[in-house]
Amino acid sequence: DAKTTQPNSMESNEEEPVHLPCNHSTISGTDYIHWYRQLPSQGPEYVIHGLTSNVNNRMASLAIAEDRKSSTLILHRATLRDAAVYYCILRGYTNAGKSTFGDGTTLTVKP
Amino acid sequence: EAQVTQNPRYLITVTGKKLTVTCSQNMNHEYMSWYRQDPGLGLRQIYYSMNVEVTDKGDVPEGYKVSRKEKRNFPLILESPSPNQTSLYFCASSSPSNTGELFFGEGSRLTVL
Repeated sequence: DAKTTQPNSMESNEEEPVHLPCNHSTISGTDYIHWYRQLPSQGPEYVIHGLTSNVNNRMASLAIAEDRKSSTLILHRATLRDAAVYYCILRGYTNAGKSTFGDGTTLTVKP
Repeated sequence: EAQVTQNPRYLITVTGKKLTVTCSQNMNHEYMSWYRQDPGLGLRQIYYSMNVEVTDKGDVPEGYKVSRKEKRNFPLILESPSPNQTSLYFCASSSPSNTGELFFGEGSRLTVL
């Protein structure tokens, strides 16, 4: 199964942009890149996903490298409510059932 | 409201006493999955199901059983719980494709004494 690698932790100041990286060097052509976040004492929640092109939604933007071996989740203006663990996972076409999450990145937002 | 509901949310039990954690979703999703979360180990997949009567092992299936008799329900069964199964458990559902957004339940905290 394709795996992802993320930094254990990152810090940001409130109202500044945050770039959360994810490496997925063994990604296959049909794997979608998904991002989820987990707020304290809650289940993970969906943030965004993409295949090749950069994606935007109301929560964040996803920038995908041209070779698709890495991606970056961009929070344009971090708020204290964005403090969470962020997970990058791959969901494949032939093995969409296997979803390996890894340890994620703990984002701390400082006021 | 779209949701995944897990019960119980909290449970303390003793070694060897069979228990079932229920999971139900109201989104007509074909795909459902169970994860456990332990400090420093992230989310690890236990079992998943691509549709009714179709289940498969995840990364840590030992000591667990599942069944998928109806599309909306996916119970997690611990036939003989042991202390190393003390953990926070999450159920998730989605459409079966690689574009499907995973919806998670609120979690079930299980303690096995």
